[in-house]
Amino acid sequence: QVQLQESGPGLVKPSETLSLTCIVSGGSISSYYWSWIRQPPGKGLEWIGYIYYSGSTNYNPSLKSRVTISVDTSNNLFSLKVTSVTAADSAVYYCATLTGTNLMDVWGKGTTVTVSS
Amino acid sequence: IQLTQSPSSLSASVGDRVTITCRASQGISSYLAWYQQKPGKAPRLLIYAASTLQSGVPSRFSGSGSGTDFTLTISSLQPDDFATYYCQQLNNYPLTFGGGTKVEIK
Repeated sequence: QVQLQESGPGLVKPSETLSLTCIVSGGSISSYYWSWIRQPPGKGLEWIGYIYYSGSTNYNPSLKSRVTISVDTSNNLFSLKVTSVTAADSAVYYCATLTGTNLMDVWGKGTTVTVSS
Repeated sequence: IQLTQSPSSLSASVGDRVTITCRASQGISSYLAWYQQKPGKAPRLLIYAASTLQSGVPSRFSGSGSGTDFTLTISSLQPDDFATYYCQQLNNYPLTFGGGTKVEIK
């Protein structure tokens, strides 16, 4: 069974770049699409985007200009970068598998990122 | 595609039948999923293709609908079911979620 674990800094300064990594274990990164989702405190879920092991991506237009998702097949992980962050980017960030029918059926536990000086 | 869930919250007792609705801003056939989220935890996939139960999900959960109107029903609410429920459309990018329905103990 695939397991996912997010990691990265819990505190990022405004205008800087948020960088997170999702380590995939129990399966090959070549087996799925891989997605990032975020959830601001007390709010709902927002899909950020996905990447396939080949490197093809699809981003939410609401974040597209600031987001990059990349994959490292050698180390079985994928990553998220969000540039020029503001307080509105403070959230729990989740990584998840994304099936061919756009289901997110395996999730990491999430990592909290706070944007503050 | 915007998804509107109602109600945004509800109070119910153990054993109650609970129904949550999700309305899409345009037709999405049966490309809808439901997730359950407990405080401090990641969402858990419950139902996909509008009515197919994910493996391991209790049969008291059911889903129905197609097009623009969907429902999630819990036939007999159990203590473990108090959580927030989200619908998600699978039909178009960007993938979107409803605003959530919080099910609380009465």
